[in-house]
Formats: sequence, structure tokens, C-alpha cells
Amino acid sequence: NAGVMQNPRHLVRRRGQEARLRCSPVKGHSHVYWYRQLPEEGLKFMVYLQKENIIDESGMPKERFSAEFPKEGPSILRIQQVVRGDSAAYFCASSPQDSANTGELFFGEGSRLTVL
Amino acid sequence: KQEVTQIPAALSVPEGENLVLNCSFTDSAIYNLQWFRQDPGKGLTSLLLIQSSQREQTSGRLNASLDKSSGRSTLYIAASQPGDSATYLCAVGTGANSKLTFGKGITLSVRP
Repeated sequence: NAGVMQNPRHLVRRRGQEARLRCSPVKGHSHVYWYRQLPEEGLKFMVYLQKENIIDESGMPKERFSAEFPKEGPSILRIQQVVRGDSAAYFCASSPQDSANTGELFFGEGSRLTVL
Repeated sequence: KQEVTQIPAALSVPEGENLVLNCSFTDSAIYNLQWFRQDPGKGLTSLLLIQSSQREQTSGRLNASLDKSSGRSTLYIAASQPGDSATYLCAVGTGANSKLTFGKGITLSVRP
């Protein structure tokens, strides 16, 4: 089974442009999480989604950031009008969240955004 | 608000040494605790997952313990090897939705 797939692995944007990061969860997983890792910082939770629903977006900045997990296709993290402070590694994780769920998360390799 | 602390931030040891990495958390009402490994520029690899009802988990040369009442976990690495050099992250799950709170990690360097 393929693990969590994220693309692009590296993305360079100029200030004011849009960044779109994609995440395909482990096959059969219906729960997706996005985390952000700023330089010299730990990973911070951003948002938790199930298919077509945002369950918890308490870690998401109120402006410019949005996330979706449509019925078909990958989860998308969208950052509008990027600023230099958005430069970070964005990690996606998935879980099956069934009745036997252990709470274990499976992480992708991350998408590294650089804002010039 | 849950806070996870890992001290020291970096550690350098000679090959073959047994070592302990520490993790502390402020809220003992946790769902589980995971230890991850992160290599430079790479994603996270799950090493061990301890449920709140468990005291320890073992995998190969790795052993993780959990003491909820004191808010501590340790990752024990036996007979360290240069290939163990990486950043080790501790993460606490505080709800059934698997949301994790991470420490900043300990960067381990094992010298040949």
C-alpha cells in the first residue's frame, strides 16, 4: 500500500501569489490532518478533515488559509496571498479512524514552501 | 492547553552507548503518546505508539515508557548506531480525533 502522498514536495512562490498543497491519504483512510513546521519550531496542528467536512480548524490562521477534502480526489491546503512568514514545511497525515483505531497517524514526506 | 517539552534540544553520543530521550507534558489527560523519527528534509516515521492505558512499548532496540501521572515519557535506545542520528519527536494525543501536540524534538548525533 502506498503511504501518504504529498505534492509538490517543494514549492517556491513570490509574495502575493497562491500556494496549493495536495495530500492523498493512505488508501482506505478517510481522515486527514495538516500540520505546519516552521523553522526551528515543532509541528503545529492546523486542521482536521473528514471527507467533505472540516472537523477541527482551530490551528488554522483565520485569513488566507483554507482546506478541503472533497468526496473524490486529494485534500488541498490553499494559501492565498502568501507572505514570507508562510515559508515552512507542511505535513499531511491520515488515519483510518475506525472502531479499532489506535489513534496512530501516518505522515507524508511534507511539502516545503518557500516564499521569496 | 497541552504543552510538550523535550530537553535537551540536541545530544551527541559515541556509537554503542545506551541513551534515554526525555519528553514531558503538562496535561495528564492524554489519549496516547507517539515517538517519531525525522531525518533532515524528510517526513515523520512513527517509531512507537503508547496508548494511555499502557506503560511501555518495545520495538527492536527501542523502548518507550509512559508515566501519565507525572507527565513523562522516555525513549530508550540501546546500543546506539550512527544510523540512529536524526531528530526524535514526542507527540501527545489529547482526544479521540487523533490530534497531536508535538514537542520541538531532540536532534541526536551518534558519532562513529
